[in-house]
Amino acid sequence: GDSVTQMEGPVTLSEEAFLTINCTYTATGYPSLFWYVQYPGEGLQLLLKATKADDKGSNKGFEATYRKETTSFHLEKGSVQVSDSAVYFCALSDIHDMRFGAGTRLTVKP
Amino acid sequence: DTEVTQTPKHLVMGMTNKKSLKCEQHMGHRAMYWYKQKAKKPPELMFVYSYEKLSINESVPSRFSPECPNSSLLNLHLHALQPEDSALYLCASSQDPLAGGRETQYFGPGTRLLVL
Repeated sequence: GDSVTQMEGPVTLSEEAFLTINCTYTATGYPSLFWYVQYPGEGLQLLLKATKADDKGSNKGFEATYRKETTSFHLEKGSVQVSDSAVYFCALSDIHDMRFGAGTRLTVKP
Repeated sequence: DTEVTQTPKHLVMGMTNKKSLKCEQHMGHRAMYWYKQKAKKPPELMFVYSYEKLSINESVPSRFSPECPNSSLLNLHLHALQPEDSALYLCASSQDPLAGGRETQYFGPGTRLLVL
C-alpha cells in the first residue's frame, strides 16, 4: 500500500541555518503530497502541498518539490527561525485517505 | 476561512463515563474525518464521513461511536473508554469526497482526552 518515509529526528539547528527534512513515498497511483506542521499543544496546520510531478509548493519560506523520478518531497528552508520549532509531517493523499510519515521534531536555538 | 473548530479542548473522563467530542466546519466541505494521535506519533485515521454517511471505519472499537448530524457537524461519542484511549483526537475536513481523494485536509486544534 501507499506509504511515506520521513527523516527521523529530532533535528536541532541554530537560528538562520539551512533546513532539509527528507521525505520519500511509495504509491501506486498519482497522489498529492503535503507537509503539515504541528506546534506544541496544537493540531496540524497545512504548510504546503503539491498535486503533480515537478510542482513546487511554498509557504513562509519553506519549499518542497514533487519529484516523481526519485519519489521524494523534501522540505527545505534557507534560514530557520526559533518560531519554526515544531513537528513536521510529510503526507500523501490518494483515493480515500491520507498517509502520514512518522514526523520530524525540529528545534531551532537562538 | 479554513477553520475547523473542536470542543472541548481538554477532557478528563473515567472509564464508566459517557462523553462526546464535537467538530464543526463552515467551509462547505462534504468529507469529515476523525483521527487519533498518541504522543510523538503521526495521526491515525479512525473514521471518514462522505456526504454525511460513514464511508470508512478503520476497525475502531465500538466504544467510539461517530455521528454526522449534518454537513457541518461531526461528533464522536465515547463510552467505557480505557486508559490507553488517552490521546489527542483530531477532526479534519476536505472539500469533495468524489475528487479522487487527493484533496487537502484541514485540521482542527484537537481535543486532548485523558481517561482515568
